[in-house]
Amino acid sequence: AQSVTQLDSQVPVFEEAPVELRCNYSSSVSVYLFWYVQYPNQGLQLLLKYLSGSTLVESINGFEAEFNKSQTSFHLRKPSVHISDTAEYFCAVSEKGGSEKLVFGKGTKLTVNP
Amino acid sequence: SQTIHQWPATLVQPVGSPLSLECTVEGTSNPNLYWYRQAAGRGLQLLFYSVGIGQISSEVPQNLSASRPQDRQFILSSKKLLLSDSGFYLCAWALGQAGGGYEQYFGPGTRLTVT
Repeated sequence: AQSVTQLDSQVPVFEEAPVELRCNYSSSVSVYLFWYVQYPNQGLQLLLKYLSGSTLVESINGFEAEFNKSQTSFHLRKPSVHISDTAEYFCAVSEKGGSEKLVFGKGTKLTVNP
Repeated sequence: SQTIHQWPATLVQPVGSPLSLECTVEGTSNPNLYWYRQAAGRGLQLLFYSVGIGQISSEVPQNLSASRPQDRQFILSSKKLLLSDSGFYLCAWALGQAGGGYEQYFGPGTRLTVT
């Protein structure tokens, strides 16, 4: 069975600083990978996804994530964060050809300070 | 485009009372449907999922149940609520393998407080 580890439960940064949110997964088969963002008292929004092809995927608001098969990682990065990026971020994995479920990490709370 | 609705948005219920949360999806057919619970500091816990009408898979044995009476309607129920049922309940839909997608799309959630 697959699992997801988000190594940092909380990440505080200053505005305009770079940030990396770490995600590692465990699976015996090929996977699809996702990052979701959750603002307070809202549902989760899909931020970006890796299904196949280029290992570097980007979102429309400046985030990017790189699939590293050898390190079983899918870290999320942004070169310069804004106050509005303050939210909780969840990494998720699904096995190709497997059950139609996502396995989520426990989340990383990103706080951007002025 | 597809949209997902959940209601109510917030709910305060006494211990031992029944529960019914509803989720509906518009703009797609035969979606996979999911119920999650999010407790403070504990991430997302998958409770139930459904790949078709009347087909429900339970992930966590507890006093909750789910039903899918129509293609795009998913209901979460309980006969008697416990304090531990408090949390943020999220419904999600996905196209599933048949639709070529695995990503899930979430509703706005229901905040349940059991007192």
